[in-house]
Amino acid sequence: AQSVTQLDSQVPVFEEAPVELRCNYSSSVSVYLFWYVQYPNQGLQLLLKYLSGSTLVESINGFEAEFNKSQTSFHLRKPSVHISDTAEYFCAVSEGQTGANNLFFGTGTRLTVIP
Amino acid sequence: DSGVTQTPKHLITATGQRVTLRCSPRSGDLSVYWYQQSLDQGLQFLIQYYNGEERAKGNILERFSAQQFPDLHSELNLSSLELGDSALYFCASSDGVRGNEQFFGPGTRLTVL
Repeated sequence: AQSVTQLDSQVPVFEEAPVELRCNYSSSVSVYLFWYVQYPNQGLQLLLKYLSGSTLVESINGFEAEFNKSQTSFHLRKPSVHISDTAEYFCAVSEGQTGANNLFFGTGTRLTVIP
Repeated sequence: DSGVTQTPKHLITATGQRVTLRCSPRSGDLSVYWYQQSLDQGLQFLIQYYNGEERAKGNILERFSAQQFPDLHSELNLSSLELGDSALYFCASSDGVRGNEQFFGPGTRLTVL
């Protein structure tokens, strides 16, 4: 079974500072990895994903995440955050080649950007 | 706008009652997923349908059931409601291909009093 751990439930950070949101997963099979973002009173939106190939994946709004198989991690980073990045961020996994492709989510990290 | 619609947006009901949540997937998507988001359990997968057939089941209670109709919209039925069923229920859709993005609807907030 899959499980996802997001150790930090809340991360406050000043505007234009760097941020890292941590995600570790546990799985006995190959997985696909995702970061979703949820803005207040909205549904989840895909931020970026890792399926295969280059272990560093990037989003269009400056976020990046690196798949580290040995550490079973998929941490999300941004070198300089903006006020508009304030949201809840969810790390998720799904089984890779076999099985169902439903998502298993972490408990979420609330990122608050302070002006 | 993800293209996934959910109705109603809010639902307030009493314990013991039965409700139906409705989801229309993005045009062309064959797969529908239901997730429950609550404060104590987080985001949990309930059930997936693909082109009218159940594809996968998660932590869905026996009091809950779902179906996907020929026009691909889906309904989640919750019966014998308890206080603990109060949550945000999300529907997501995708083309069903592994690894492809799931597009989430805005959710239905269910409050059981």
